[in-house]
Amino acid sequence: AQKITQTQPGMFVQEKEAVTLDCTYDTSDQSYGLFWYKQPSSGEMIFLIYQGSYDEQNATEGRYSLNFQKARKSANLVISASQLGDSAMYFCAMRVSGEAAGNNRKLIWGLGTSLAVNP
Amino acid sequence: GAVVSQHPSWVICKSGTSVKIECRSLDFQATTMFWYRQFPKQSLMLMATSNEGSKATYEQGVEKDKFLINHASLTLSTLTVTSAHPEDSSFYICSARATGIAELFFGEGSRLTVL
Repeated sequence: AQKITQTQPGMFVQEKEAVTLDCTYDTSDQSYGLFWYKQPSSGEMIFLIYQGSYDEQNATEGRYSLNFQKARKSANLVISASQLGDSAMYFCAMRVSGEAAGNNRKLIWGLGTSLAVNP
Repeated sequence: GAVVSQHPSWVICKSGTSVKIECRSLDFQATTMFWYRQFPKQSLMLMATSNEGSKATYEQGVEKDKFLINHASLTLSTLTVTSAHPEDSSFYICSARATGIAELFFGEGSRLTVL
């Protein structure tokens, strides 16, 4: 079954420190993509970072990096030097393909992790 | 990045009325758009996949007669909540995919409150 698991409902981090948000996935597909999105209280979904299953190097985007451990099926998000504005919900998602997804390669979403950055 | 605009951002309506939510891709063509529903403090629940020029594909358990989706052009998809009831109150958010780009771009979301 295609599934995304985020085991941390809530996380706290001190401003300027790094934090890791966990994400594990389950798929039988050989080709897949992993995404992290941020959702602040205003509701919009903000794309953060993407990792393709065939990418050999971990993706990085500014203060965001994705710790991709293919054998462990994990795709943890690392936020370095946390800022107060990082307080939000963070969702891990996986793009699936194949018969189970139909022709539209939809995303499977985790339940999210609520991150609070303390001053 | 590509911009997706969703309108209205919030709407309050009486029970029994219908509400239309628009999702527009402003600077790219989107052959596929996705409609999600999100309850407070929960994840996104995919309702349906909207394909330009064809019928939408609904997820299991989503009433197609209740949630009408129309994707009449490459830049516009609409979700109409017909005969809305209080249990339809939720945050509805659309997303679109641009050709050759991995990530989905999301609209700002629409918060529906049915009295």
